Amino acid sequence: DVQLVESGGGLVQPGGSLRLSCEGSGFTFSAYWMTWVRQAPGKGLEWVANIKYDGSEKYYVDSVKGRFTISRDNAYNSLYLQVNSLRAEDTAVYYCAASNYGPEYWGQGTLVTVSS
Amino acid sequence: DIVMTQSPLSLPVTPGEPASMSCRSSQSLLNSNGKTYLNWYLQKPGQSPQLLIHLGSNRASGVPERFSGRGSGTDFTLKISKVETEDVGIYYCMQGLQTPWTFGQGTKVEIK
Repeated sequence: DVQLVESGGGLVQPGGSLRLSCEGSGFTFSAYWMTWVRQAPGKGLEWVANIKYDGSEKYYVDSVKGRFTISRDNAYNSLYLQVNSLRAEDTAVYYCAASNYGPEYWGQGTLVTVSS
Repeated sequence: DIVMTQSPLSLPVTPGEPASMSCRSSQSLLNSNGKTYLNWYLQKPGQSPQLLIHLGSNRASGVPERFSGRGSGTDFTLKISKVETEDVGIYYCMQGLQTPWTFGQGTKVEIK
């Protein structure tokens, strides 16, 4: 069975940082683009970032450019999101997804709360 | 950015009856490779989203046949032939043609 398991979320003060991780299993991780999507409490889905199979291309939503960095390590079937300079509006559940024409397999999400 | 607009935002349904919802994009989602980059997702209460339909009309693995997607260009529809109680949740369309990938606001399906 395909599994994506996120970790690394938590409560952080404005301006703080976190590193979110996502480990995949049950599929060929290195064959998929990987994606982060977030969902603020009670709100809809927002695409955050994509990374190509080999990490050679990365794309971000404008609101996180310069603050978030997506990366992957195919040797460990792992995806990462380094989130810096966090703001209250970054509070959300962050989902990782394996993408093929769009998110196909989703993790259960990890909650990031930015508050003083 | 491509804007995705869904309607209705709320859809009361009766089990056993059909249901449909609409998604419109601010520009065509047809790629030069002939593929249409429109996906449908269902987020059941308390769960992660799940892929229902990809590339406009292709059911994802394990998705029941009662779900169908159709449309082209900028106008798309998701149909449920006979609603079951397990189909409640929020349905999102999403365009994957260009970044930023964008989602619609969602259509909340509830049992009458």
